[in-house]
Amino acid sequence: QQQVKQSPQSLIVQKGGISIINCAYENTAFDYFPWYQQFPGKGPALLIAIRPDVSEKKEGRFTISFNKSAKQFSLHIMDSQPGDSATYFCAAPAENFVFGPGTRLSVLP
Amino acid sequence: NAGVTQTPKFQVLKTGQSMTLQCAQDMNHNSMYWYRQDPGMGLRLIYYSASEGTTDKGEVPNGYNVSRLNKREFSLRLESAAPSQTSVYFCASSVTGDSGNTIYFGEGSWLTVV
Repeated sequence: QQQVKQSPQSLIVQKGGISIINCAYENTAFDYFPWYQQFPGKGPALLIAIRPDVSEKKEGRFTISFNKSAKQFSLHIMDSQPGDSATYFCAAPAENFVFGPGTRLSVLP
Repeated sequence: NAGVTQTPKFQVLKTGQSMTLQCAQDMNHNSMYWYRQDPGMGLRLIYYSASEGTTDKGEVPNGYNVSRLNKREFSLRLESAAPSQTSVYFCASSVTGDSGNTIYFGEGSWLTVV
């Protein structure tokens, strides 16, 4: 079973601050590294993803950074807002699609 | 376009009862999945189906059975429910495109076993 390690388990950030969530993976064969966002009472949904041939991808306030040599990728949320409060998952998009344990983000107003 | 639809949304079972969670997707995806989500445990894969007619065990398959009825439908059955199966269950389907393998989830089914 593919392992995906994620940290921190929970994160509290003031409005306007930067939220950083990290993910470490084992398998080097993946061609795609995604982050999913889940709001209470809803299913997770794709937030942003990156290919391993680039080191960074930015979509609005969300940036994903990839470090191939360290087998890590991270999610940065700039100017964090209370509406960003959710649980974030990284994933190993193999045939059996394994998710990390999740990071619960709370952005204080 | 409904995406991934799962029923029921809420269910209370007594220990030992059986039930089936239904799931259907209208996106013509080949792969489908069942996950359970428990507090502090993230999303754990129960079973998945890479294509119609095939199913494989995930991380936590014990106590469950699945059926890939056709390309659209993937059901999860609890033959003899136990309190440890109290959880939120998510059905999902996936497609591989320009952005890689993307998985789409249903809204979830809240199951309580008493």
